[in-house]
Amino acid sequence: SQELEQSPQSLIVQEGKNLTINCTSSKTLYGLYWYKQKYGEGLIFLMMLQKGGEEKSHEKITAKLDEKKQQSSLHITASQPSHAGIYLCGAGTNYGQNFVFGPGTRLSVLP
Amino acid sequence: NAGVTQTPKFQVLKTGQSMTLQCAQDMNHEYMSWYRQDPGMGLRLIHYSVGAGITDQGEVPNGYNVSRSTTEDFPLRLLSAAPSQTSVYFCASRDLLRYEQYFGPGTRLTVT
Repeated sequence: SQELEQSPQSLIVQEGKNLTINCTSSKTLYGLYWYKQKYGEGLIFLMMLQKGGEEKSHEKITAKLDEKKQQSSLHITASQPSHAGIYLCGAGTNYGQNFVFGPGTRLSVLP
Repeated sequence: NAGVTQTPKFQVLKTGQSMTLQCAQDMNHEYMSWYRQDPGMGLRLIHYSVGAGITDQGEVPNGYNVSRSTTEDFPLRLLSAAPSQTSVYFCASRDLLRYEQYFGPGTRLTVT
């Protein structure tokens, strides 16, 4: 079965600093999804990447999928307290309707 | 649109009790799913449905039952609650041809 790993497990940064979260798959990804979860709430969709080498940006968040489609990174520029939360990567399997998530990266941004 | 709604928000059960977690969506999504979230383990798929009358097991289905009689509703039933089912449960829905999922606010369940 497909498994997703994320690093780091948790991250504490000072406001204004840049940071990167990584997601690695044991198999080729057929679509990689990034979600954000605020503490105690549901998940909010951020971005989806499908093609090798693809890069997408939304406000100060940029996500990339490597050429081999087994690793993705999420980069936040000039972090703000509003970026705090848990970031999860997810992927659909290439068959059926299953969807798997990584364990998440807990981000804290200190003002 | 209300999106995906879940009830209740919090629930405490005793071992052996049964209950149903409710989930509803108003986006006419064919696909609905239930996840549980436990510390350090991310979200794990319990059951999913690709349309009314069709359900299938996910990664951790034991101890849970589901049914899908309408497009809008996808209840999750715990027949005999166990402490190992203490978790936060999320319902999600999406269009069948897309993987972008919409999540409910979650139900925090404690089994004592």
